[in-house]
Amino acid sequence: DVKVTQSSRYLVKRTGEKVFLECVQDMDHENMFWYRQDPGLGLRLIYFSYDVKMKEKGDIPEGYSVSREKKERFSLILESASTNQTSMYLCASSSPGLGGYGYTFGSGTRLTVV
Amino acid sequence: RKEVEQDPGPFNVPEGATVAFNCTYSNSASQSFFWYRQDCRKEPKLLMSVYSSGNEDGRFTAQLNRASQYISLLIRDSKLSDSATYLCVLYPGSARQLTFGSGTQLTVLP
Repeated sequence: DVKVTQSSRYLVKRTGEKVFLECVQDMDHENMFWYRQDPGLGLRLIYFSYDVKMKEKGDIPEGYSVSREKKERFSLILESASTNQTSMYLCASSSPGLGGYGYTFGSGTRLTVV
Repeated sequence: RKEVEQDPGPFNVPEGATVAFNCTYSNSASQSFFWYRQDCRKEPKLLMSVYSSGNEDGRFTAQLNRASQYISLLIRDSKLSDSATYLCVLYPGSARQLTFGSGTQLTVLP
């Protein structure tokens, strides 16, 4: 069974902390994505990557950075966590050959910043 | 204007009812269209693709109207297990990432 695994299901961090959210996929997918989901706003794209060491900004990159040192792993970094970054974070991966099909999501990390 | 607009609901319907959701989109170049389902506190999962000719999967029927730039999802004979949030999703084609609507919440009542 193909999988996208996010390292933590629930996370509580303090304002100003540096936070790492990890995502690993076992499908050899080239594309990986980080979204955040908030009530009434839906899923919003933070960053994505089409290849190792490659990254592109999504719609809301401010306050975030990413790292993709290996094909299977895509990390989201909150440089200095703030309360407005309290949200559900979802990682996804896909293969470009599948177009819009074949997106697989991780089970999400619910981050609370206090 | 948002790229994808959905009525957020909530839709509260009795078991056995027929319910329809609509979604409008602004990017006329969008290539592929999907409905995703998201259960409470879970990740989104693909429910079905949407084609101009319409497609059916059991009790679910999806339709695309490119001229009017909207897609629809019809659920017949609603079950309690259909309670979820339904996300309208576009694949623009030129980019590789999906664009999500904010979702329509459905609760099927006993």
